[in-house]
Amino acid sequence: NAGVTQTPKFQVLKTGQSMTLQCAQDMNHEYMSWYRQDPGMGLRLIHYSVGAGITDQGEVPNGYNVSRSTTEDFPLRLLSAAPSQTSVYFCASSYWRGTYNSPLHFGNGTRLTVT
Amino acid sequence: EDQVTQSPEALRLQEGESSSLNCSYTVSGLRGLFWYRQDPGKGPEFLFTLYSAGEEKEKERLKATLTKKESFLHITAPKPEDSATYLCAVQASGNQFYFGTGTSLTVIP
Repeated sequence: NAGVTQTPKFQVLKTGQSMTLQCAQDMNHEYMSWYRQDPGMGLRLIHYSVGAGITDQGEVPNGYNVSRSTTEDFPLRLLSAAPSQTSVYFCASSYWRGTYNSPLHFGNGTRLTVT
Repeated sequence: EDQVTQSPEALRLQEGESSSLNCSYTVSGLRGLFWYRQDPGKGPEFLFTLYSAGEEKEKERLKATLTKKESFLHITAPKPEDSATYLCAVQASGNQFYFGTGTSLTVIP
């Protein structure tokens, strides 16, 4: 199984550019989420989804958009990149049973630099 | 406010020198506490889930325990390949996970 696949692995953007980070999972997980990881800050939740057509904001949603049109895919869009969005981005998925999640499965991340 | 704190930030051990990593949490309605291992340039890899105080889980040289306020990850006779960052996360009421900042473990041969 491929698990959680993120593309691209690396990306450099100029301030003001937009882009989409891709995330796909092949485990039929209902729950998908995006985190950013910064030194000394730990993993912080950006957006999450508990199923196709359902999304919600996490701790740090500003500057990011998501949509969930299929169970497998959960892209993250940067609308107008800023240097503060320089980070490593992780997509994670799990089974979801309304109140309990199974452990998150993570992709290997996208390292984004905004100049 | 839901919060997860891990200590120490960094730990250097000689091969074979056992120790413990701490994860303390303040959340309302704990639904699960998770331990992950993260190697450089990779995503976190799941190790354990603990659901209630008193619960323990073991895997090779690792043992995780849970009380009402904290969890410990005990490492017995570590080897250099155990070097990694260990992350703790909690799921409280709602659909969000809260992560600590991790403990960077280095095991010296």
